[in-house]
Amino acid sequence: EAGVTQFPSHSVIEKGQTVTLRCDPISGHDNLYWYRRVMGKEIKFLLHFVKESKQDESGMPNNRFLAERTGGTYSTLKVQPAELEDSGVYFCASSQGGDQPQHFGDGTRLSIL
Amino acid sequence: QKEVEQNSGPLSVPEGAIASLNCTYSDRGSQSFFWYRQYSGKSPELIMFIYSNGDKEDGRFTAQLNKASQYVSLLIRDSQPSDSATYLCAVNGPGGFKTIFGAGTRLFVKA
Repeated sequence: EAGVTQFPSHSVIEKGQTVTLRCDPISGHDNLYWYRRVMGKEIKFLLHFVKESKQDESGMPNNRFLAERTGGTYSTLKVQPAELEDSGVYFCASSQGGDQPQHFGDGTRLSIL
Repeated sequence: QKEVEQNSGPLSVPEGAIASLNCTYSDRGSQSFFWYRQYSGKSPELIMFIYSNGDKEDGRFTAQLNKASQYVSLLIRDSQPSDSATYLCAVNGPGGFKTIFGAGTRLFVKA
């Protein structure tokens, strides 16, 4: 069984540019989560999809962040325009049920210059 | 007060000893509790999960939950150098959805 995959593994962009991160959850997992870890801080919840619907997006920092999960399969997280404080590691996770253990992808390390 | 608190460590134990990692949480309505292990530069890896008060054992790992005290712990028996990592406590809030992570405890197992 393939795990959660994220693309790209690293992204370096300049302030003001746009970046799109992609997450492919484990097949059959309806629940998909995005998290972010900035340097020296704990992993922070961003949002949670159940299939294609946003269950909880209370962790999204501001309207420069847009997450989608069209068709309830893979998800994208777009940052537009990127700011310096957006740098960090963005993790995606998926689970079968809402309170079931989540399986994490390897993350995307985003650096804003 | 942080929602999920862990001692940042580092916690250093000799090989073969028991490592005890602790976590407290603030939301009394929390329903499910997880321990993840994270090696440097890697993604979190699920170690244990527990939903009910008491102990849950899996191999060398035991998770302990006390909802009255809002406390969850992870014991690692016969610690190995390969157990050296950061251990993250994670708690799901009411409804079981939003997961809150602690900052993690760094564990060093000395050979």
